[in-house]
Amino acid sequence: EPEVTQTPSHQVTQMGQEVILRCVPISNHLYFYWYRQILGQKVEFLVSFYNNEISEKSEIFDDQFSVERPDGSNFTLKIRSTKLEDSAMYFCASSSGTENSPLHFGNGTRLTVT
Amino acid sequence: ILNVEQSPQSLHVQEGDSTNFTCSFPSSNFYALHWYRWETAKSPEALFVMTLNGDEKKKGRISATLNTKEGYSYLYIKGSQPEDSATYLCAFPRLSGNTPLVFGKGTRLSVIA
Repeated sequence: EPEVTQTPSHQVTQMGQEVILRCVPISNHLYFYWYRQILGQKVEFLVSFYNNEISEKSEIFDDQFSVERPDGSNFTLKIRSTKLEDSAMYFCASSSGTENSPLHFGNGTRLTVT
Repeated sequence: ILNVEQSPQSLHVQEGDSTNFTCSFPSSNFYALHWYRWETAKSPEALFVMTLNGDEKKKGRISATLNTKEGYSYLYIKGSQPEDSATYLCAFPRLSGNTPLVFGKGTRLSVIA
């Protein structure tokens, strides 16, 4: 069964550094998402992407964050200047675009900012 | 602000016990209710997407019911097994059916052999 893949599985970075989290969504899916979970808290929506542009973003997704789909397969999340509070598990997800279709998640990237 | 609440936060049951937990969501402007199972070190996996009031869905020993008028869904596990140990998340679309999901905090189930 096709799956969403994310790399790396774990990233440690120093405060102020840029990080890029990578995802390969399921190939025939149309909607792509980034969510994150800070330890002990709820899974939070960051951004959705459809038709090669951001379709929706949350208040968390400020100017430090950006997303890109540089080719037909990859979907990346960049954090320009990481802060301690960016430490979280970041999940990529995709969906087919059919009304009320479920999300298919990757295994996540655990980002630790020191 | 949309809020999805789940209870209990955690649950420990013996192998073979049946169990259930609750997801509460806003009853106005309902589109769908999603249930996901999230095992440690794996990705959340979709169990059900429910859209109709009174709907009941089943997958093996796991089933779910939906009451959109009062804003709750129950997830039931019959004859719990150790492999059912996971966090069970429910989620609700922010606006319409293809919009981003708002997640509850989850119910962490531990099944003791």
